[in-house]
Amino acid sequence: QKEVEQDPGPLSVPEGAIVSLNCTYSNSAFQYFMWYRQYSRKGPELLMYTYSSGNKEDGRFTAQVDKSSKYISLFIRDSQPSDSATYLCAMIGAGGTSYGKLTFGQGTILTVHP
Amino acid sequence: DSGVTQTPKHLITATGQRVTLRCSPRSGDLSVYWYQQSLDQGLQFLIHYYNGEERAKGNILERFSAQQFPDLHSELNLSSLELGDSALYFCASSMRQGSTGELFFGEGSRLTVL
Repeated sequence: QKEVEQDPGPLSVPEGAIVSLNCTYSNSAFQYFMWYRQYSRKGPELLMYTYSSGNKEDGRFTAQVDKSSKYISLFIRDSQPSDSATYLCAMIGAGGTSYGKLTFGQGTILTVHP
Repeated sequence: DSGVTQTPKHLITATGQRVTLRCSPRSGDLSVYWYQQSLDQGLQFLIHYYNGEERAKGNILERFSAQQFPDLHSELNLSSLELGDSALYFCASSMRQGSTGELFFGEGSRLTVL
């Protein structure tokens, strides 16, 4: 079983829709949680970053972490065609065997059509 | 542009051969990470170097090796190549010794083994 599970999709939504992307994980040592966005033929770029449980909002993006359920989410409001990309959740621990090893989900392919 | 430079962008070679992938981190970054991305496995952590020293190892095969040089650039050497080694290889960098997950990725080197 993978440490981080993410539905690869693909997910196709109309412009303006609210998008919900999710990951579950099994390693309770994870403390830092991230969402990376990867456009086709590009490297991943950091989109959202949260530490431990809670919510973080940045413009149209909201990241949620629920450590008790080992579940993280990314919400995209008013989605735009330019949001079409692969979204990867990622997480890392602060010590022990997770130290230095950023673990990624499989990535969800999102297409926002006009 | 993340500031991380990877060469070559594309590489086609035959089974049994050896290749070297090169990475120049962002100016000022001391940590370099290597990741392999394939369709079935997603982004897999290979190895992490900080200021010339190996800090963490992931799922890196014995046929693969890496090093970070005094000028902080890094090379990933892949030998006795197999068809299954065809993938995108990403380098990422950060300032810190211990990663909190904020990595800056290059655009990757696409390796095709025929």
